Amino acid sequence: AQRVTQPEKLLSVFKGAPVELKCNYSYSGSPELFWYVQYSRQRLQLLLRHISRESIKGFTADLNKGETSFHLKKPFAQEEDSAMYYCALLRFGNEKLTFGTGTRLTIIP
Amino acid sequence: GAVVSQHPSWVICKSGTSVKIECRSLDFQATTMFWYRQFPKQSLMLMATSNEGSKATYEQGVEKDKFLINHASLTLSTLTVTSAHPEDSSFYICSARDLTGRTGELFFGEGSRLTVL
Repeated sequence: AQRVTQPEKLLSVFKGAPVELKCNYSYSGSPELFWYVQYSRQRLQLLLRHISRESIKGFTADLNKGETSFHLKKPFAQEEDSAMYYCALLRFGNEKLTFGTGTRLTIIP
Repeated sequence: GAVVSQHPSWVICKSGTSVKIECRSLDFQATTMFWYRQFPKQSLMLMATSNEGSKATYEQGVEKDKFLINHASLTLSTLTVTSAHPEDSSFYICSARDLTGRTGELFFGEGSRLTVL
């Protein structure tokens, strides 16, 4: 069965410092990986997906199949980045998302 | 982007009563919707996949007689928690995929917090 691991429940970073939220997965096939974000009192929303290779709000994530990782990175943290971040995996040919346990990111002014 | 709306966003009920939560796709049609449950400070756990015009498919360990799902139209799925008990108190979230969109992105409702007294 597939699994998504986010080892950090809480992460605090100073404003302007680099951010890296870790995500590792286990799945024998070819997964599709996502990062979802939930700002305070808002609904869960898609931040980025690995197949689009986009940079959203300064965030990037590269799928590393060798390390089975999909870490989320941003070179310079901003206060508005404070939120809950979830890594998620979609199995090939399946519509069901498997979520990690989430990381609460707090940006210290 | 597309919008998924849940109602009610917050409900308190007495133990033994049933509660219905609605999930609507406001500007797109969804043949499939997903229901999740989220405990405090924990991840979203998929409960079931709601299929328009047919029976929902439940994840292992989820009681289908406890959590009744009906997907009567292409824009509405309902989750009914029957004979609710305090342990059913949780945050319930639905999602739907907009297949007409470029990316087939999954959109989430704002969630419904159920408190059973």
